[in-house]
Amino acid sequence: GDSVTQMEGPVTLSEEAFLTINCTYTATGYPSLFWYVQYPGEGLQLLLKATKADDKGSNKGFEATYRKETTSFHLEKGSVQVSDSAVYFCALSPTGTASKLTFGTGTRLQVTL
Amino acid sequence: GAGVSQSPSNKVTEKGKDVELRCDPISGHTALYWYRQSLGQGLEFLIYFQGNSAPDKSGLPSDRFSAERTGGSVSTLTIQRTQQEDSAVYLCASSLDPTSRTQYFGPGTRLLVL
Repeated sequence: GDSVTQMEGPVTLSEEAFLTINCTYTATGYPSLFWYVQYPGEGLQLLLKATKADDKGSNKGFEATYRKETTSFHLEKGSVQVSDSAVYFCALSPTGTASKLTFGTGTRLQVTL
Repeated sequence: GAGVSQSPSNKVTEKGKDVELRCDPISGHTALYWYRQSLGQGLEFLIYFQGNSAPDKSGLPSDRFSAERTGGSVSTLTIQRTQQEDSAVYLCASSLDPTSRTQYFGPGTRLLVL
């Protein structure tokens, strides 16, 4: 079945550091890929998405590129801020009509001054 | 416009009691999903509704769990004879239609079974 693997956390960075959170997936066909973010005490928010190979999703300075050849969707940000501290979830939605999201285990990011 | 809303935000119950969790999707969204977020299992899919029917119930963990949706809008997730392992955050999400891949999540209901 479908699965998503993302790097273990927590990830601790200083403000203005470069961020990469790795995500790889297993699925048939061409799933859609997502990054969701969960800030402390809040619900899941869609951060960005990509629906086909080589698409780049971007939002709030975060970017991720859909790489079919490596089945990856790594999340990057050039300069993190304290306010980016949250848990980040990589997820996929399979090819075809609407279906469940399959999530990775989440990566906690802690940004310090 | 209003997002997905869920109630109650927190629920504490005793083992063996039944609980009902409610979800109000975004107006006009025909697809509705329930997920569970727990420490040991991460984020798990429970059930998907398209309109009032549930074409995918594959994630419901046992027959103690059931859900319904009425009027193509509000959904209720019912857990009968709750167990301590049911303690989790129950998340609801909606999307515009079956072809839309973007799901919008509610704030969740935190359930604690004592």
